[in-house]
Amino acid sequence: AQSVTQLDSQVPVFEEAPVELRCNYSSSVSVYLFWYVQYPNQGLQLLLKYLSGSTLVKGINGFEAEFNKSQTSFHLRKPSVHISDTAEYFCAVLNRDDKIIFGKGTRLHILP
Amino acid sequence: EPEVTQTPSHQVTQMGQEVILRCVPISNHLYFYWYRQILGQKVEFLVSFYNNEISEKSEIFDDQFSVERPDGSNFTLKIRSTKLEDSAMYFCASKDRRSGNSPLHFGNGTRLTVT
Repeated sequence: AQSVTQLDSQVPVFEEAPVELRCNYSSSVSVYLFWYVQYPNQGLQLLLKYLSGSTLVKGINGFEAEFNKSQTSFHLRKPSVHISDTAEYFCAVLNRDDKIIFGKGTRLHILP
Repeated sequence: EPEVTQTPSHQVTQMGQEVILRCVPISNHLYFYWYRQILGQKVEFLVSFYNNEISEKSEIFDDQFSVERPDGSNFTLKIRSTKLEDSAMYFCASKDRRSGNSPLHFGNGTRLTVT
C-alpha cells in the first residue's frame, strides 16, 4: 500500500534562509505525488504536483520539489522563505484506488 | 477561480447530537470527498462519492456517518450521534475526473467541536 512519511514535524527557519521539507513515499506502482499547504485557519491548497516527466516540479509561491525515484523522495524546497510561508505542509500520494494519502504534515516556523 | 465552499466554519455541538456539515463543490466536478484532521494528526480520508453513491469509505466512516448530495449542488456529511472523538476539522474536496491528473480542490474546512 502506498504511504507517505514526513520525518520532521516542525522546521524552524530564519526569514530569507532556504528550506527543505522532507517527504519519502512507498509505492509499488507509478506514483502521483503532491504537496499541499495549510495556512493558519484555512483549508488545504495545492502547492505542486508530480505526475510524470521532469523530476523537478515548480509550484506556487516560489516552491519546488524534486522527484527522486531511487531514493523514493519528493522533498519540497524554497531558496528564500518569507514570514508569509508560515504554514503546515503536507506531502501526499495518490493511491491505486484514486485516494489521496497524506503525510502527518510539517509545520514551518519562520523566525524573524 | 471556482472554490469549494463549506459551512459553517465552526460548529459546536453536544455529545449525542446530530450534525450536518455542508459543502458546495465546484460546479462541474463529479467526484466528491470528505477528509478529517484531528488536531495534531494527519489528514485522513473518510469517504468518496460519485454518481450519487459512495465509491469508497474508510474504517472511520462507520454507521454514524452518512453522506448525501440532496440537490445537485450541495454535498453533506451527517454524523448521527456525535462523540467527543469526532472533534476535528472536516474538509470537503472535489475534482472533475477520476484521473490522477486532476487534483483535489479542498474547501476551508469546518471545525467541529463536540463537548
